[in-house]
Amino acid sequence: DTEVTQTPKHLVMGMTNKKSLKCEQHMGHRAMYWYKQKAKKPPELMFVYSYEKLSINESVPSRFSPECPNSSLLNLHLHALQPEDSALYLCASTWGDREKLFFGSGTQLSVL
Amino acid sequence: GQNIDQPTEMTATEGAIVQINCTYQTSGFNGLFWYQQHAGEAPTFLSYNVLDGLEEKGRFSSFLSRSKGYSYLLLKELQMKDSASYLCAVRGPGSARQLTFGSGTQLTVLP
Repeated sequence: DTEVTQTPKHLVMGMTNKKSLKCEQHMGHRAMYWYKQKAKKPPELMFVYSYEKLSINESVPSRFSPECPNSSLLNLHLHALQPEDSALYLCASTWGDREKLFFGSGTQLSVL
Repeated sequence: GQNIDQPTEMTATEGAIVQINCTYQTSGFNGLFWYQQHAGEAPTFLSYNVLDGLEEKGRFSSFLSRSKGYSYLLLKELQMKDSASYLCAVRGPGSARQLTFGSGTQLTVLP
């Protein structure tokens, strides 16, 4: 299994909703990432988990809350988002520090 | 910090060769990646260079010159399916967590 699986693929939510994005990998990778990508822009790093511990938070607003329940799973909890948070949210993983990123297919989020 | 520059758009003809350039200025360097991304899809890994020189992988090759802060991705025998965005990404010192992406080059392959 060489995949990073993200669900849902598409999500529409209102500004008062609470939702969660999910990411799963079974490659034994020890680092997992959340990226945000706006249309025609490069991915921007949001969070990094290394060995299930949050190691990087790139000054992301608290309305985004990451969670890593175990080494295979990564969640991103969303609450009180703004329309400008609409974007493609990408999960990625790597085996170690020097390895390439494996990306999931992303969740296309629209905030109304 | 990292500053990565690549052309915004390029157009080429099916069967041709195209070279996508990437220049970078970084506070530290620990490798350069090229990714391909089709619209609405995840980036997929194409190549990795950490030492100077050319890495060839089928129709795709990537070159790195660390002294010049320069890389290029060479695509041969272009196919329509190669129409995509090509992202140059530089890894800073320390770990893959510091991977910074350029804005991407949108390549359009014409028949």
